[in-house]
Amino acid sequence: QLQLQESGPGLVKPSETLSLTCSVSGGSISSSNYFWAWIRQPPGKGLEWVASIHYSGSTYYNPSVKSRVTLSVDTSKNQFSLKLRSETAADTAVYYCACATYGPFDYWGQGTLVTVSS
Amino acid sequence: EIVLTQSPGTLSLSPGERGTLSCRASQSVSSNYLAWYQQKPGQAPRLLIYGASTRATGIPDRFSGSGSGTDFTLTISRLEPEDFAVYYCQHYGGSPLTFGGGTKVEIK
Repeated sequence: QLQLQESGPGLVKPSETLSLTCSVSGGSISSSNYFWAWIRQPPGKGLEWVASIHYSGSTYYNPSVKSRVTLSVDTSKNQFSLKLRSETAADTAVYYCACATYGPFDYWGQGTLVTVSS
Repeated sequence: EIVLTQSPGTLSLSPGERGTLSCRASQSVSSNYLAWYQQKPGQAPRLLIYGASTRATGIPDRFSGSGSGTDFTLTISRLEPEDFAVYYCQHYGGSPLTFGGGTKVEIK
């Protein structure tokens, strides 16, 4: 049973870079069929897929953030990470890490609230 | 990009009633790669249905999904108190992945 846990700062200043890490337990981040993702949810609003990564390095980005996002995988730590540059208030959201083991997102972290404010 | 439109925005029902939620896609969803999630306040979404009609592990059989192409439905046959939540559809047939705007099922 996979378990995912997000970590990172809860407050980021405008124009700075947000860095979040998702720690994976109960399974290997190098599993060939798994895709690892970040999904965000602004307060009181719906879900938005941000980006996905396979341990091999293949990445997929939402066009709305593609120019500002970098994903990476650390197989030695069983973690994957998100960097989102040039933060604005519109990036304030709960950020979830998630895993798709066969297509849909069947495992989710509990989410971490990131507020962009000076 | 596939745009998913969910209706209604809010569904007011009583426990024991049947709930029918709609998700319409702006273009055909390949291989019916359409999922439904349930989200309760302060919690992460939970996968209910994938492949348009297959229940995920541990999901009660009062939840059922149907549809193909551009029109999909989530049906809750008899609402239990724990079913009052927000429901999202999502396509996972290709990038970018998209979610619908959600339907809130509230107690009448």
